[in-house]
Amino acid sequence: EPEVTQTPSHQVTQMGQEVILRCVPISNHLYFYWYRQILGQKVEFLVSFYNNEISEKSEIFDDQFSVERPDGSNFTLKIRSTKLEDSAMYFCASSPTYTGELFFGEGSRLTVL
Amino acid sequence: GQQVMQIPQYQHVQEGEDFTTYCNSSTTLSNIQWYKQRPGGHPVFLIQLVKSGEVKKQKRLTFQFGEAKKNSSLHITATQTTDVGTYFCAGPGGSYDKVIFGPGTSLSVIP
Repeated sequence: EPEVTQTPSHQVTQMGQEVILRCVPISNHLYFYWYRQILGQKVEFLVSFYNNEISEKSEIFDDQFSVERPDGSNFTLKIRSTKLEDSAMYFCASSPTYTGELFFGEGSRLTVL
Repeated sequence: GQQVMQIPQYQHVQEGEDFTTYCNSSTTLSNIQWYKQRPGGHPVFLIQLVKSGEVKKQKRLTFQFGEAKKNSSLHITATQTTDVGTYFCAGPGGSYDKVIFGPGTSLSVIP
């Protein structure tokens, strides 16, 4: 069964460093998303991406965040200068249809020291 | 902005008891989705409801979408230890390009 894959599974970084989280969505999906979940808390929407551009972003997704689909398969989330409060699990998700089922990856745990 | 609420936040049940979680949106939803997240895992899609008053069943799980399309419920009959996890409802957040998750209901099942 096709799945969304994410790397790394865990990244530890110093505050102020740049981090890139990578995702490979399911190949025939068209809609891509990043969510984050601080330990034990809700799943928060960060950004959606369709047709090679951001279609929607949340208040959390400020200038420190960016997304790219550099080669038609990978989908990356970059955090330019990490803060302590960026420590969370980051989930990538993809969907084949508008408003459809979200397929989540296993997540990348980011720890900012 | 749109808010999606769920109650209860936590539920502890004896194995074999029933469980229900309720989801309420501040706005009318075009559809509602339910996800399950096992401890240490990622959200996994369970079902999507689209029609007003819709009821769908998956084995011991019954999902309902309210007549006004602002609330939904998930009922599990005769819980098992495999039902442990957090159940999230989710709906379009003002646009179809954003799916907003409720805060979830964490279910513990005591064997």
